Amino acid sequence: QSVLTQTPSASASLGASVTLTCTLSSAYSNYKVDWYQQRPGKGPHFVMRVGTGGIVEFKGDGIPDRFSVLGSGLYRYLTIKNIQEEDEGDYHCGADHGSGSNFVVVFGGGTKLTVL
Amino acid sequence: EVQLVESGGGLVQPGGSLRLSCAASGFTFSRYWMHWVRQVPGKGLVWVSRINSDGSSISYTDPVKGRFTISRDNAKNTVYLQMNSLRVEDTAMYYCARRQNSYFDFWGQGMLVTVSS
Repeated sequence: QSVLTQTPSASASLGASVTLTCTLSSAYSNYKVDWYQQRPGKGPHFVMRVGTGGIVEFKGDGIPDRFSVLGSGLYRYLTIKNIQEEDEGDYHCGADHGSGSNFVVVFGGGTKLTVL
Repeated sequence: EVQLVESGGGLVQPGGSLRLSCAASGFTFSRYWMHWVRQVPGKGLVWVSRINSDGSSISYTDPVKGRFTISRDNAKNTVYLQMNSLRVEDTAMYYCARRQNSYFDFWGQGMLVTVSS
């Protein structure tokens, strides 16, 4: 079982809202998750961190208020309201695990968001 | 302006070697932990390796242990990834990324590595 799981694709119409989900495996239920946006042909860009209880710890530069996060149990959500064309791309969730030489970062498989 | 610029990628045969470089500018490089992350085109991100600010602490993902070596030269503001015994499955876009507050706050544009005969 993967540590982080994402649905492969999502779509939403211009101006609508969409919620992307990152599901943690049960052993990692208290993990904080970082969301990254990756526009076509570009490197990833940090969006926001969501902790347990949905607490937002950090927000990326230039991320509009249309983006919000929530956390509940094994789920970490990224919601985008009033979707714009520039929101199209891949969204990845990631989390740290371990320390020292055992440190790793795990990512979900990414969700490809299409703006209709 | 923070910039991370990767170089050194390209086409290599299985079993060959490549060294990726990531030149940093616009910030005090020696204060930050640096990471390499790779991505097969059309697929998800996969963390590869990280090095702390002075190079004394390093870790790798299991598939590259014993084959890849991360290092840094703080005088040159550059982090490296030496990749030996390359396999077809190492084919990917490789990104270097800066770590701040336990998240990746800046990423390079990526460098494509293709391992093929």
